[in-house]
Amino acid sequence: DIQMTQSPSSLSASVGDRVTVTCRTSQFISNYLNWYQQKPGSAPKVLIYAAYTLQSGVPSRFSGGGSGTDFTLTISSLQPEDFATYYCQQSYSSPRTFGQGTKVEIK
Amino acid sequence: EVQLVESGGGLVEPGGSLRLSCAASGFTFTNAWMSWVRQAPGKGLEWVGRLKSKTDGGTPDYATPVKGRFTISGDDSKNTLYLQMNSLKIEDTAIYYCSTEDFGHHSNTRIFDFRGQGTLVTVSS
Repeated sequence: DIQMTQSPSSLSASVGDRVTVTCRTSQFISNYLNWYQQKPGSAPKVLIYAAYTLQSGVPSRFSGGGSGTDFTLTISSLQPEDFATYYCQQSYSSPRTFGQGTKVEIK
Repeated sequence: EVQLVESGGGLVEPGGSLRLSCAASGFTFTNAWMSWVRQAPGKGLEWVGRLKSKTDGGTPDYATPVKGRFTISGDDSKNTLYLQMNSLKIEDTAIYYCSTEDFGHHSNTRIFDFRGQGTLVTVSS
């Protein structure tokens, strides 16, 4: 199974801050990497797929990068509605696997 | 509009069984890859398994922790996905979400699209 390691597991930031979350995979996955946002009490929703493609309707302050085994999710200017938990997920092979999540909290 | 409505969750004793359903609408169910993903209370997301579309073989695939205990099936006439869970363990306690697993636009990457609120399964004596 492909192991996913996200960091940090949590962070505190202020509105307007630039925030970066990293995801490292235990094996090469090319660009088969997706990012999801989950708010309390709700199902996850995809933000970015194929490492850097923004899902329709997602604000442009979100961006993704990386390939191979190292990936990033960046929020250029954190907004109040962005406080949530973020997960990376690989779709390179089965079983599908997720990172452990990064909780973004208000400072 | 794509809709997925999960049901069938509840309280069950360790060793017991439960069948979850996911009623789908708004897309061609027979052409879809469908997955179950779960989330234990306060924990992260865990893929449970998937049923490929008939055109891709219609085969199920399972995560190691549930292999041999859980069975995924689909009823095309009812546009419904099922998750039969047997020999339940306390660690199976979670919200279970169903999802399509389709390609992103202009992409060869499959992504999960969760449209429901999930159904809670609690395994406890």
